[in-house]
Amino acid sequence: GAGVSQSPSNKVTEKGKDVELRCDPISGHTALYWYRQSLGQGLEFLIYFQGNSAPDKSGLPSDRFSAERTGGSVSTLTIQRTQQEDSAVYLCASSLTNMGKTQYFGPGTRLLVL
Amino acid sequence: AQSVTQLDSQVPVFEEAPVELRCNYSSSVSVYLFWYVQYPNQGLQLLLKYLSGSTLVKGINGFEAEFNKSQTSFHLRKPSVHISDTAEYFCAVSDQGSQGNLIFGKGTKLSVKP
Repeated sequence: GAGVSQSPSNKVTEKGKDVELRCDPISGHTALYWYRQSLGQGLEFLIYFQGNSAPDKSGLPSDRFSAERTGGSVSTLTIQRTQQEDSAVYLCASSLTNMGKTQYFGPGTRLLVL
Repeated sequence: AQSVTQLDSQVPVFEEAPVELRCNYSSSVSVYLFWYVQYPNQGLQLLLKYLSGSTLVKGINGFEAEFNKSQTSFHLRKPSVHISDTAEYFCAVSDQGSQGNLIFGKGTKLSVKP
C-alpha cells in the first residue's frame, strides 16, 4: 500500500518568505508527527496530532511555525518569515495510534532558505 | 527529560565483520525503544523496537538489539555486515505514558568497506 508522502520534495525560498509543507499520512493512521532533521540539531520533534484532539505543539521552535491537520488526514506545516536557520529536512510520520506503535516516515521535504 | 546518547558518530567496518552500534538513554519513566535506519537520500525505516517482554529483539536485515534496563542501554548488533548496510542509524525512545513522540540520538554513520 501507499506510504507516507510529502510535498514538495525540495523547496528553495528567500529569507522572509512563508512556506507550506504538506504531508499525506497512511490511510487509517490516526497519529501524525512532524520532525525536523538538521545538521546541527539532529532529529527534533515538532508537533503531534492524534485524531480530533488538540495538537501537542510543545516541539515547535518559535511562533513562526504552525501546523494543521484537516479532516484527520492531510497535514500542512507552515513556516512564516523564514530564516536561514530554518533550513533542514522536515519529516512527517504517521502511526495507527500513538503509544509504542511503529511510526512510518515519509521521504521528507528538504528546505533551503537563502 | 529524556535523552538518547549514541556514543559513536561514525563506525567504519569491513564487509562480513560483526558490528555493534551503541545507544544509551536517560529517562525517569519506562520507555519504548527503537532503532531506525536512514539510507542515503531516503527517509527513516524501522529496524526493530522494544516494547516489552524478551529483552533480545530481532529486526529486519539480520539486526538485533538487547535492552538492558540496569545499564539503560539498547545496543544494536549484526554478526556479519554487508556493503548494503552502509547507512545512518538512529536510536530513539518514547515514554510509555506519552503521546509517542520520539526522542532521537544524534545518529551513527556505519560505513562498510569491501
